[in-house]
Amino acid sequence: EIVLTQSPGTLSLSPGDRATLSCRTSQSVSSGYLAWYQQKPGQAPRLVIFGTSNRATGIPDRFSGSGSGTDFILTISRLEPEDFAVYYCQRYGSSPLYSFGQGTKVEIK
Amino acid sequence: QVQLQESGPGLVRPSGTLSLTCAVSGATISESHWLSWVRQPPGKGLEWIGEIYHTGNTNYNPSFRSRVTLSVDNSKNQISLILTSVTAADTAVYYCAKAAAYNLEVWGKGTAVTVSS
Repeated sequence: EIVLTQSPGTLSLSPGDRATLSCRTSQSVSSGYLAWYQQKPGQAPRLVIFGTSNRATGIPDRFSGSGSGTDFILTISRLEPEDFAVYYCQRYGSSPLYSFGQGTKVEIK
Repeated sequence: QVQLQESGPGLVRPSGTLSLTCAVSGATISESHWLSWVRQPPGKGLEWIGEIYHTGNTNYNPSFRSRVTLSVDNSKNQISLILTSVTAADTAVYYCAKAAAYNLEVWGKGTAVTVSS
């Protein structure tokens, strides 16, 4: 079973800072199969990035995704107050079809 | 825009059976591609349980395969999840989500389930 490891576990930053979140997979993942979600307390996850680098509907352009193979990055260029949340990477594949990383919490410093 | 609404009993007894439904609005089940169930234990991450197509075809997470059954009711535009032999480890918020290609693009608000006597 493929394992997704996100780092860091917690990122303490200030509004206006740049956030760089990492997702490393134990096996190579096709770029089309890697997505990122944002989750705020008490809310359902929200799709942010799909296919490694494509922003989902309504996601501002300060969010960007990149990577290939086993290393993927979510970047938030300038943090807004509403961006402080937990972010999960997700890979589509087999057994199970959907696997998630353990999450990175972006908190206000 | 498709909307999903999960519902079910908030409390289930240990060794009992958990039954949840997900009502789809804004589109028919047949237009909704694959529909998944994902759960999140308190303070923990996301875990995919399985998915179902409007034809009744299913895919399950092997971790749940022996205990979970997904079904679809096209006439009611809803899907259901049944999880048997529950324990405290099954306490979680359960989400219904609509797939788009290789990700989950629309999520319901979730329903909280506690397994306790």
